[in-house]
Amino acid sequence: EVQLVESGGGLVQPGGSLRLSCAASGFTFSSYEMNWVRQAPGKGLEWVSYISSSGSTIYYADSVKGRFTISRDNAKNSLYLQMNSLRAEDTAVYYCARSGGILDYWGQGTLVTVSS
Amino acid sequence: DIQMTQSPSSLSASVGDRVTITCQASQDISNYLNWYQQKPGKAPKLLIYDASNLETGVPSRFSGSGSGTDFTFTISSLQPEDIATYYCQQYDNLPPFAFGPGTKVDIK
Repeated sequence: EVQLVESGGGLVQPGGSLRLSCAASGFTFSSYEMNWVRQAPGKGLEWVSYISSSGSTIYYADSVKGRFTISRDNAKNSLYLQMNSLRAEDTAVYYCARSGGILDYWGQGTLVTVSS
Repeated sequence: DIQMTQSPSSLSASVGDRVTITCQASQDISNYLNWYQQKPGKAPKLLIYDASNLETGVPSRFSGSGSGTDFTFTISSLQPEDIATYYCQQYDNLPPFAFGPGTKVDIK
């Protein structure tokens, strides 16, 4: 069974940093592209970042470019999102989602709250 | 970047009704269009991929059509468990993978 489990969310002050993790199981993680997608409270879905299966190709939404860094460790079956210079508008549930453009499996999400 | 619009933003229908949601892309995306269902407090779930292909395990009352810039998502007979918000999402060529703003479906 495919499982994606996010962790690392929490309350952080504006300007602070947080590192999210996504633990994958039930499939060959190293063969799949991965994404982070977020959802602000009461709002719609926003794609955040993409990483290829090898980690060699990466894309970011303009809203997070230069502040967020996506990475992966295929030996540990894990996906990461390093978030720096956090702003109030980054407050959201962050989901990891499998595959390239067709997001076929999603984690349950982890809540990031940016507030003083 | 490609922008996605959806209509209506919300709708209320009776059990058994046919429900239709439209999604429009700001430029030609061929058939690189997916539909997701999100129930309150839950992660999104893939229903339709490549505009018209039903994801494994998804009931056949859900369907999708369209290509280019105009797409349609249909629930042929609305069921109580279909109460959710539905999102379209394009993945033409490279990221960003834009989502539509969503359509909230309620039971009348």
